[in-house]
Amino acid sequence: QEQLVESGGDLVKPGGSLRLSCAASGFTFSDYYMIWFRQAPGKGLEWVSYISSSGSFTNYADSVKGRFTISRDNAKKSLYLQMNSLRAEDTAVYYCARTMVQGVLTPLDPWGHGTLVTVSS
Amino acid sequence: EIVLTQSPGTLSLSPGERATLSCRASQSVSTTYVAWYQQKPGQAPRLLIYDASSRATGIPDRFSGSGSGTDFTLTISRLEPEDFAVYYCQHYASSMGYTFGLGTKLEIK
Repeated sequence: QEQLVESGGDLVKPGGSLRLSCAASGFTFSDYYMIWFRQAPGKGLEWVSYISSSGSFTNYADSVKGRFTISRDNAKKSLYLQMNSLRAEDTAVYYCARTMVQGVLTPLDPWGHGTLVTVSS
Repeated sequence: EIVLTQSPGTLSLSPGERATLSCRASQSVSTTYVAWYQQKPGQAPRLLIYDASSRATGIPDRFSGSGSGTDFTLTISRLEPEDFAVYYCQHYASSMGYTFGLGTKLEIK
């Protein structure tokens, strides 16, 4: 069964840092692009970042560029999101997701259940 | 940047009725890069439709997608109680990442 499980969400003060993790199982992790999305309370979905299957290529939404870093460890079948200089507007449930097809950017399936990040003093 | 505008914002229908949800792109896009998702409260999104009209694995055939250019539609032929949720259209491109519409909330009338 293909599964993604996020962890690391927490309450953090503005300007603080947090590292999210996403553990994959049930598929060959190193074959797929991986993506982070977020959803602020009561709001819609926002793409945050994606990383290629090898980790050699990354891309970020303008809203997080320069503050967030996506990475992966294919040996550990894990995806990460290092979040620095956090702001109140970064408060959201963060989801990791996998591309539907190996090796290319495609629609997302499956998704993790999400982890909540709250930025507040 | 491509902006996706979904309408209506809220759709009130009864089980058994037909639902038609619209997604309009700010510029013409390839059908290859258009998808639809369903999200229920407290749950992650679920992929319904990819390539504008192909059903994802396990999606019932009452869900169908259509459209081209700037106008795309998700149709639910006969609503079941479990279909009441929020629906998002999505476009993606390697240079721009993923873009979502603001969603259509399908609620029970």
